[in-house]
Amino acid sequence: DGGITQSPKYLFRKEGQNVTLSCEQNLNHDAMYWYRQDPGQGLRLIYYSQIVNDFQKGDIAEGYSVSREKKESFPLTVTSAQKNPTAFYLCASSPQGLGRPQHFGDGTRLSIL
Amino acid sequence: SQELEQSPQSLIVQEGKNLTINCTSSKTLYGLYWYKQKYGEGLIFLMMLQKGGEEKSHEKITAKLDEKKQQSSLHITASQPSHAGIYLCGADAHSGGGADGLTFGKGTHLIIQP
Repeated sequence: DGGITQSPKYLFRKEGQNVTLSCEQNLNHDAMYWYRQDPGQGLRLIYYSQIVNDFQKGDIAEGYSVSREKKESFPLTVTSAQKNPTAFYLCASSPQGLGRPQHFGDGTRLSIL
Repeated sequence: SQELEQSPQSLIVQEGKNLTINCTSSKTLYGLYWYKQKYGEGLIFLMMLQKGGEEKSHEKITAKLDEKKQQSSLHITASQPSHAGIYLCGADAHSGGGADGLTFGKGTHLIIQP
């Protein structure tokens, strides 16, 4: 079955540490996205990528970095510069163009030790 | 930037009753998406609306987009425990094409009482 796989489901970060969240899709979608979800704030866009080797900052990119070396993969690194990283992170993908719904993974919950 | 306001923030409904959730935009909606989320899980796509006055239904859920394309509603008929969760509306940022990510409302928490 096609879908989006996020791993790990739970992740803990120590002070000053970088951590990487994995997102893999086998839907053959061109576009991929990372969102952050905090209680009472809905989803906010961190980064997105419309094609391989290209990505754009979203609304809250500071303290995060991404890469898009393969169509199937869009890992997100939460750097030590992100001072409030505790949140639920959601990865999504979609075909190119308007009117194409995004499909979401099951999320990764990141907490600070 | 576009903002989406959802109302109500939370809703407790007795099983079998009907309910409506609203999503209002500060700008014209070029694509409006409804998602459902169970706590701690990913989003499940429900429906997409693009044209003014458009209405779509799936099982007991109906979504509408008003003629001015600035407000959408999600109506659930004869609610069931399986309808419980968080409902989120999302919108395309602009009409220029491309996949630039969605703007989301803060969600409506729906609880179904037996």
